[in-house]
Amino acid sequence: GENVEQHPSTLSVQEGDSAVIKCTYSDSASNYFPWYKQELGKGPQLIIDIRSNVGEKKDQRIAVTLNKTAKHFSLHITETQPEDSAVYFCAASPWGFKTIFGAGTRLFVKA
Amino acid sequence: DGGITQSPKYLFRKEGQNVTLSCEQNLNHDAMYWYRQDPGQGLRLIYYSQIVNDFQKGDIAEGYSVSREKKESFPLTVTSAQKNPTAFYLCASASSGSTNEQFFGPGTRLTVL
Repeated sequence: GENVEQHPSTLSVQEGDSAVIKCTYSDSASNYFPWYKQELGKGPQLIIDIRSNVGEKKDQRIAVTLNKTAKHFSLHITETQPEDSAVYFCAASPWGFKTIFGAGTRLFVKA
Repeated sequence: DGGITQSPKYLFRKEGQNVTLSCEQNLNHDAMYWYRQDPGQGLRLIYYSQIVNDFQKGDIAEGYSVSREKKESFPLTVTSAQKNPTAFYLCASASSGSTNEQFFGPGTRLTVL
């Protein structure tokens, strides 16, 4: 069935360093790839997304890349700050209303 | 303010009791979803609804029930048949347009004693 794998499960970086989270998906029909950030005790919030007709998208310190051939997509956070500490989820949407989520990456940014 | 709300934030129930979690949205979204999140894990889909008076089972629907009588509301009932109901429950909604972005509520933490 549809599956999204996310790595690593935990990531610890020093403030100012970059963080990279990688995901792979199984359903080649997926055409929408959002990334969500979840702070403790809150619901996930969309931080960036990419569609299958785009290879890369950037929004200030956050960028996402997509390789449809390999079914890989990645989140890159540059110049990390303590407030970036949270759980990040990747997701893939193979059709209109359903979204498959990865297991999440807990990011720690050490000051 | 447009958004999606869930109530209550914390809920405690005795084992064997049914409990209903509220989810309301004023975003005029057609689709609504219920997810379960366990510590250190991702989001697992319980039920989803694409339109009023219609809903489908997700990956872990056993022991749960939903209704979608109004576009704005999608309550989730956790029944006594759910073997391990203690978890964080998230409701989300999405429009039927080209983007599939889901907007999440703040969640309800259910603890069964």
